[in-house]
Amino acid sequence: AQSVTQPDIHITVSEGASLELRCNYSYGATPYLFWYVQSPGQGLQLLLKYFSGDTLVQGIKGFEAEFKRSQSSFNLRKPSVHWSDAAEYFCAVGTQGGSEKLVFGKGTKLTVNP
Amino acid sequence: NAGVTQTPKFQVLKTGQSMTLQCAQDMNHEYMSWYRQDPGMGLRLIHYSVGAGITDQGEVPNGYNVSRSTTEDFPLRLLSAAPSQTSVYFCASSRAQGYEQYFGPGTRLTVT
Repeated sequence: AQSVTQPDIHITVSEGASLELRCNYSYGATPYLFWYVQSPGQGLQLLLKYFSGDTLVQGIKGFEAEFKRSQSSFNLRKPSVHWSDAAEYFCAVGTQGGSEKLVFGKGTKLTVNP
Repeated sequence: NAGVTQTPKFQVLKTGQSMTLQCAQDMNHEYMSWYRQDPGMGLRLIHYSVGAGITDQGEVPNGYNVSRSTTEDFPLRLLSAAPSQTSVYFCASSRAQGYEQYFGPGTRLTVT
């Protein structure tokens, strides 16, 4: 079965600074990979997904993520953070063909300082 | 499309009471699931369904029942509420279990 780790529980950045949230997965083949965002009091919203092809994936709200097979990583990036990006971010991993349930990481909480 | 809807948004129960959390989706998704979210624990899968008439247990199923009589609806029943079931509950749906899931807005449940 696949697994996913988000090493950082909490990250604080200043508004306008760049952001990288880490996600590492364990799976024997090419996985399906997802990033979700959860604003306070809200449900989870899909930011972006990777199934195959180009390893750099663009998402909503100016986010992107890069799949690196050699590092088993799918890190989320944004060049310039806005105060409204303060939220909790979840990485999730699925398997090719959708044969297994998604496994979610425990999340990284992002605080944005003015 | 309304997507995934959940009712109620908030609920307070006394220990021992029962209730049903409602979940509906209008995307014709086969796969539906229930999660609970607690601080520091991430999302934990309670029950899931791969289609109408088919349900199975997830990671933390004790104290909860589900049924799936239609593609659209997937209610979660708390049989006898306990304070340990105080949590935020999310329903999600997707076209299949390994694909992107779409989440409802959540139900915040407090058991006293």
